[in-house]
Amino acid sequence: SQQGEEDPQALSIQEGENATMNCSYKTSINNLQWYRQNSGRGLVHLILIRSNEREKHSGRLRVTLDTSKKSSSLLITASRAADTASYFCATGPSYNQGGKLIFGQGTELSVKP
Amino acid sequence: KAGVTQTPRYLIKTRGQQVTLSCSPISGHRSVSWYQQTPGQGLQFLFEYFSETQRNKGNFPGRFSGRQFSNSRSEMNVSTLELGDSALYLCASSAGALQETQYFGPGTRLLVL
Repeated sequence: SQQGEEDPQALSIQEGENATMNCSYKTSINNLQWYRQNSGRGLVHLILIRSNEREKHSGRLRVTLDTSKKSSSLLITASRAADTASYFCATGPSYNQGGKLIFGQGTELSVKP
Repeated sequence: KAGVTQTPRYLIKTRGQQVTLSCSPISGHRSVSWYQQTPGQGLQFLFEYFSETQRNKGNFPGRFSGRQFSNSRSEMNVSTLELGDSALYLCASSAGALQETQYFGPGTRLLVL
């Protein structure tokens, strides 16, 4: 079962623009993670944010978490064509579900040169 | 450190056959999880193993089984294959603590004819 939804399902932007993807989830969490997937290949881990954190940065990536609204967002600044991929949020691991990750359905990002 | 490796990368089987997929985690990681990814259902959790014990199981029929060996390598088996089992099967490893990031392998793409 899917934990939540990602919005938008698809996003097309020009190189240099910022891309924002949103993720909502249903139950309380301990951790939320963002992953990138290129063309049906393996998932690449981007950022893990814990439930007691509100914002986290990694290079051009910024993730926010609002546990009161059960939502998270991923911002990619100054996007590049190489950022073209599918992006997934996943809740977990958690104390009541162990290492299990529950994924959203993903956002397909297309960055045009 | 070498990443998570999965073998084989591609597999074609016919209905009714069985298949075994293998996953070697990152050195030192004791937790291995398996996921199924299909266009219709997205990423679905299959099971998680930690120190040779199944710690968590997803909502899949008993045809899907797995195991973990003393060196943390894991295998999953699908018996009596159905067309709907065609998917990308992803393995992820982590050190095992609940706050740890999970790192994914490149996946095994299974096609059932």
